[in-house]
Amino acid sequence: DSGVTQTPKHLITATGQRVTLRCSPRSGDLSVYWYQQSLDQGLQFLIQYYNGEERAKGNILERFSAQQFPDLHSELNLSSLELGDSALYFCASSPHPGQANTEAFFGQGTRLTVV
Amino acid sequence: AQSVTQLDSHVSVSEGTPVLLRCNYSSSYSPSLFWYVQHPNKGLQLLLKYTSAATLVKGINGFEAEFKKSETSFHLTKPSAHMSDAAEYFCVVSDPGGFKTIFGAGTRLFVKA
Repeated sequence: DSGVTQTPKHLITATGQRVTLRCSPRSGDLSVYWYQQSLDQGLQFLIQYYNGEERAKGNILERFSAQQFPDLHSELNLSSLELGDSALYFCASSPHPGQANTEAFFGQGTRLTVV
Repeated sequence: AQSVTQLDSHVSVSEGTPVLLRCNYSSSYSPSLFWYVQHPNKGLQLLLKYTSAATLVKGINGFEAEFKKSETSFHLTKPSAHMSDAAEYFCVVSDPGGFKTIFGAGTRLFVKA
């Protein structure tokens, strides 16, 4: 158990809908990272927050947004969902603003299926 | 700019034989390098990391990797494969600040009995 909790574990929704994925980082970790893992694109970094502020942005679509709350949990919002958004979404946390010299601890992921 | 290339998408070995998973990287800086493992339906777990200390890095479960700057490689090895090693392995490069982290495409390791 990494200490990172993601909910829900599975989500099935229809195209055009909006969903929210939730992540609770390890106790004391200030950084939260979101990743998307799909068969065709592999594992892609989406966005990182550190202590409530956006720190780095990867290949995140404009339809997607995220935030980190004062209690350090984070939510990833996916809107106007398309079939191609079906993927495993991982959250990871680490104590530092960057990942140099430190590992990130991954949650078990949320499997999103868009039908 | 940074990039990472895992040279094999699939590797198949017999139990008890050596494992070699290859990773080449490109970085403008002195990078941090990681290997993560993902078992089916699980999150990623760190195997080992290189952060400019010793070039031979030992990780968990008997894995190790050697940083070779001249070859821009960070190959993952294990002397003797176990059935439980069957998983997907990701090579990861990070810039010194750790703000840009790039994952390789992954290598799926199959272990035959």
